[in-house]
Amino acid sequence: GEDVEQSLFLSVREGDSSVINCTYTDSSSTYLYWYKQEPGAGLQLLTYIFSNMDMKQDQRLTVLLNKKDKHLSLRIADTQTGDSAIYFCAPDRGSTLGRLYFGRGTQLTVWP
Amino acid sequence: DADVTQTPRNRITKTGKRIMLECSQTKGHDRMYWYRQDPGLGLRLIYYSFDVKDINKGEISDGYSVSRQAQAKFSLSLESAIPNQTALYFCATSVSTGELFFGEGSRLTVL
Repeated sequence: GEDVEQSLFLSVREGDSSVINCTYTDSSSTYLYWYKQEPGAGLQLLTYIFSNMDMKQDQRLTVLLNKKDKHLSLRIADTQTGDSAIYFCAPDRGSTLGRLYFGRGTQLTVWP
Repeated sequence: DADVTQTPRNRITKTGKRIMLECSQTKGHDRMYWYRQDPGLGLRLIYYSFDVKDINKGEISDGYSVSRQAQAKFSLSLESAIPNQTALYFCATSVSTGELFFGEGSRLTVL
């Protein structure tokens, strides 16, 4: 299987919550990142969680980590049309900080 | 101005040509990376450099070479481009924690 798996598409209505899920294989990952890519642009860091945390909240974003199951999720509250983008789950490669695994990305579409 | 600048942003070339993609950064980071993105796939690491004298291969280095001319400059070369190297290429920098800062990408088409 792949190192990082994410569903490819998610559609939600404006104002609803979005939940993007990710599973990964490397139990030594120390930092687990979420990146956002808008059309024609590079990736921007949204948030991250350290491996000794279960949850991190940052304004509309909530990251949940289940280290035992190697499952990471990103919840976006009150999703807006401007949140439409591709979201990448990217755990690091443990001993080599800065080297990340990247999933294929989840295309989030927000309908007005 | 962008902190991580890539040139050119778009390039169309022919099979067999030599191509160089350049990256410069003003963030003062030691670590620089080249990634490749193909439609429907995640990013894959081509090469990375933790300082000027340190160059390392990533997962897909075959057919590519790099040069770290200075702390702020990291270039990627395709010695003899082939069509399956058509992709979007990203340069990135990082600090020791691993958070990556990406350039806007260089779209390369090899005919």
